[in-house]
Amino acid sequence: NAGVIQTPRHKVTGKGQEATLWCEPISGHSAVFWYRQTIVQGLEFLTYFRNQAPIDDSGMPKERFSAQMPNQSHSTLKIQSTQPQDSAVYLCASSLDRTANTGQLYFGEGSKLTVL
Amino acid sequence: GDSVTQTEGPVTVSESESLIINCTYSATSIAYPNLFWYVRYPGEGLQLLLKVITAGQKGSSRGFEATYNKETTSFHLQKASVQESDSAVYYCALGLYQGGRALIFGTGTTVSVSP
Repeated sequence: NAGVIQTPRHKVTGKGQEATLWCEPISGHSAVFWYRQTIVQGLEFLTYFRNQAPIDDSGMPKERFSAQMPNQSHSTLKIQSTQPQDSAVYLCASSLDRTANTGQLYFGEGSKLTVL
Repeated sequence: GDSVTQTEGPVTVSESESLIINCTYSATSIAYPNLFWYVRYPGEGLQLLLKVITAGQKGSSRGFEATYNKETTSFHLQKASVQESDSAVYYCALGLYQGGRALIFGTGTTVSVSP
């Protein structure tokens, strides 16, 4: 059983460009989470989908960031007009819905975004 | 608010020595949060090490133990005798039911075990 797959593993963009990160959750998992990790802030929650519906996006920056889950097999995190402070490792995680509330998440290896 | 504070790293220990990583939490939005230790080994993704969802209980995995102490709001991770393969980054996390924000993580503690 494959784990959570994130692509690309590394992405370098110029300031002002758009970046799209992809996540394929574990098959059968109905909850998908996005986190961002930086040295300064650590692991920060961004957003959460359950059965493809957005449940909580309270961690998402109000501007330039958006996340979607068009089908049960993938989710995307899009950052428009990237800024150097967006540089981070973006982690996607999934879980069975019944375990989401107990916090047992399965993480991908992350997508490292570098904005020059 | 809800937060997690853990031992700042890096922590270096010798093989067969004991290890303790302190973790304390603050949970204002839920009375009895679930508590977790996640670990990231070199070259691997973040993975669950152990979890405890009942206050007063102890969780264990791979020789590590942690006890959910509601009185001191602590969830320290301990291992009596570490191995070089325990070198990793360890994250204490708080699980909240409400709002779907499943996990709030500590900043992580890098542990290096020398042979």
